[in-house]
Amino acid sequence: DADVTQTPRNRITKTGKRIMLECSQTKGHDRMYWYRQDPGLGLRLIYYSFDVKDINKGEISDGYSVSRQAQAKFSLSLESAIPNQTALYFCATSPPAAASTDTQYFGPGTRLTVL
Amino acid sequence: AQTVTQSQPEMSVQEAETVTLSCTYDTSESDYYLFWYKQPPSRQMILVIRQEAYKQQNATENRFSVNFQKAAKSFSLKISDSQLGDAAMYFCALTQYGNKLVFGAGTILRVKS
Repeated sequence: DADVTQTPRNRITKTGKRIMLECSQTKGHDRMYWYRQDPGLGLRLIYYSFDVKDINKGEISDGYSVSRQAQAKFSLSLESAIPNQTALYFCATSPPAAASTDTQYFGPGTRLTVL
Repeated sequence: AQTVTQSQPEMSVQEAETVTLSCTYDTSESDYYLFWYKQPPSRQMILVIRQEAYKQQNATENRFSVNFQKAAKSFSLKISDSQLGDAAMYFCALTQYGNKLVFGAGTILRVKS
């Protein structure tokens, strides 16, 4: 089984709908991240969390919210989806700083299309 | 702010030959990490190689090696004996404080048989 899983893998929705993307990990890592990938822009950080009680905004957090339900679960929500949120979304995890090699491990991605 | 620049949108290489992908970056920190990630058509992000800034020795992983020039803020990836399975998008990335990754725009590598 994959260490970092994302659901759904693909989603098509309409403008104005609320969407939740879910991420689960079995790596036992404390740190979790949400990125979006757009052509020509690479991956950009949306939100990150260093533990269950810690939530931080990334570079492009407007229009998104997150919830860290448990150490292993980190969800990304689009409260009212808009077409320019069409992108590939990645969840990633990394171990805490003390044990860190600064390496992040990525889920398989969610392709979201907003019509 | 940290930035990562990949100036080659697309590269091609003949199977079994060597190719070098370029990456430059900017950071005010003295201690950081640099990465190359591979993204094949499956879209999975796969770690290729990692370099600690405090290490002068260039990292190598089998057919993959880097040329890390700290003063020039350059971090290129060399792929030797290229294989068809190397065809992918390659991203250069830099850690900010707290493991936040900053990515370049990516380079598409095509491998010709």
